Amino acid sequence: DGGITQSPKYLFRKEGQNVTLSCEQNLNHDAMYWYRQDPGQGLRLIYYSQIVNDFQKGDIAEGYSVSREKKESFPLTVTSAQKNPTAFYLCASSRRQLDTQYFGPGTRLTVL
Amino acid sequence: AQKITQTQPGMFVQEKEAVTLDCTYDTSDPSYGLFWYKQPSSGEMIFLIYQGSYDQQNATEGRYSLNFQKARKSANLVISASQLGDSAMYFCAMREDLGGSQGNLIFGKGTKLSVKP
Repeated sequence: DGGITQSPKYLFRKEGQNVTLSCEQNLNHDAMYWYRQDPGQGLRLIYYSQIVNDFQKGDIAEGYSVSREKKESFPLTVTSAQKNPTAFYLCASSRRQLDTQYFGPGTRLTVL
Repeated sequence: AQKITQTQPGMFVQEKEAVTLDCTYDTSDPSYGLFWYKQPSSGEMIFLIYQGSYDQQNATEGRYSLNFQKARKSANLVISASQLGDSAMYFCAMREDLGGSQGNLIFGKGTKLSVKP
């Protein structure tokens, strides 16, 4: 089945620890995205990548880092510099940047 | 100023009735796209429908239609014959093809739809 997978679904970490969220797609899409969603809010863009080995900051990139070494993978690291990391994180991909974005199931991160 | 405004935090509709979810947008970009996504309680964002700024006809996908009024800058989602499974959050989003958002999606805050049996 083609789609986007994110793991794990739930993640708990202690304050001050870095954590990496996985996002994999087998849709052969060039572009991938990471969003953050807080309760009662819409999605805000963290980082995006239009092509392998290239990525750009979104609206709220501070405290996050990404890599895009393979077309199908776009992991997000939430660093200890992110002041309020507890949130729901959604990964998306699109064939090209201006095409429709399709989303993964999300990872709910709780920092204790 | 907000680029995407959804003025209805919550809506109720009776099963089998039609419902309209409001969305207004703000852009000076002549080329843009408008999207609606559904987010059930599981959290996944499900793409529903797309309307391009140059499309002459309103988009339709099954029970979903987009009432696009360009002069009013509105892109309302109409769900016909509501079903219990339609209960979810609905998000309107815009993509500006030429402008400062670099082709990325801008989301509204969403409308929570509850379908009553």
